[in-house]
Amino acid sequence: AQSVTQLDSQVPVFEEAPVELRCNYSSSVSVYLFWYVQYPNQGLQLLLKYLSGSTLVESINGFEAEFNKSQTSFHLRKPSVHISDTAEYFCAVTKASGGSYIPTFGRGTSLIVHP
Amino acid sequence: KAGVTQTPRYLIKTRGQQVTLSCSPISGHRSVSWYQQTPGQGLQFLFEYFSETQRNKGNFPGRFSGRQFSNSRSEMNVSTLELGDSALYLCASSLDGARSTGELFFGEGSRLTVL
Repeated sequence: AQSVTQLDSQVPVFEEAPVELRCNYSSSVSVYLFWYVQYPNQGLQLLLKYLSGSTLVESINGFEAEFNKSQTSFHLRKPSVHISDTAEYFCAVTKASGGSYIPTFGRGTSLIVHP
Repeated sequence: KAGVTQTPRYLIKTRGQQVTLSCSPISGHRSVSWYQQTPGQGLQFLFEYFSETQRNKGNFPGRFSGRQFSNSRSEMNVSTLELGDSALYLCASSLDGARSTGELFFGEGSRLTVL
C-alpha cells in the first residue's frame, strides 16, 4: 500500500518570497509522483509530474519539484510566489507498473500568499 | 478538447433523500473515478469505472453507488442522504489504466449540501 504525507496543512508566505511545500511518500514499488493544484471552487489541475528520467521537474508557471528516492520525498518549490498562487496543493502517488491503479493523495497544503 | 464536465455544480438536499451526479469524461478517456472531498477528510476515493465495469472501490457504505455507460459517461448515486454526505464530489477521467501514467483530469465538482 502507498501513503502520502504532506507535512504542512497551511503555509502562509508574503508575495515574492520563496516557498517549499513538503511531500513524503511510502511505497514498496516504483512510483509516479504528481502535484495537483486546486483553486477556490474548482477541481484539481495537474501542476507537474515525475515519471522517470531527470529527478527535477518543472511547471510552466515557475514551480519545480525534485524526486528524492533515498528520502522518499517530492517537495514542491517556487523561488518567488504571486498572489495568484494562493490555492490548495495536493501531492499524489501511483504505482509505476501494473494494470489498474488508484492514486493516493495527501491531505493537501493550503498556500496563502499575502501582499 | 473539452474537459471533464460535471453536473449539477451545486445542489441542496435534505436528509433521507437521494441524489444522482453526472460526469462526462474527456473524449477518448475510458476510466472515470469519483472522489469525495471534505475539509476534515481530504480527498477520499469512492470508485473507479472502466468500460462500464467497476474496477476499484473505496471504503464507502453501500449507499454510494455508480455506473458507467457505453459512451464512458458516468453517474454516481447516494441514497438515504446523511448530513455527513455534504461534500464536493469530484469526477476524474484518464486514459486506459494499463497504458496510463496515473494522471487524472478532474472536473470542477458537484457541491452537495445536505440539510
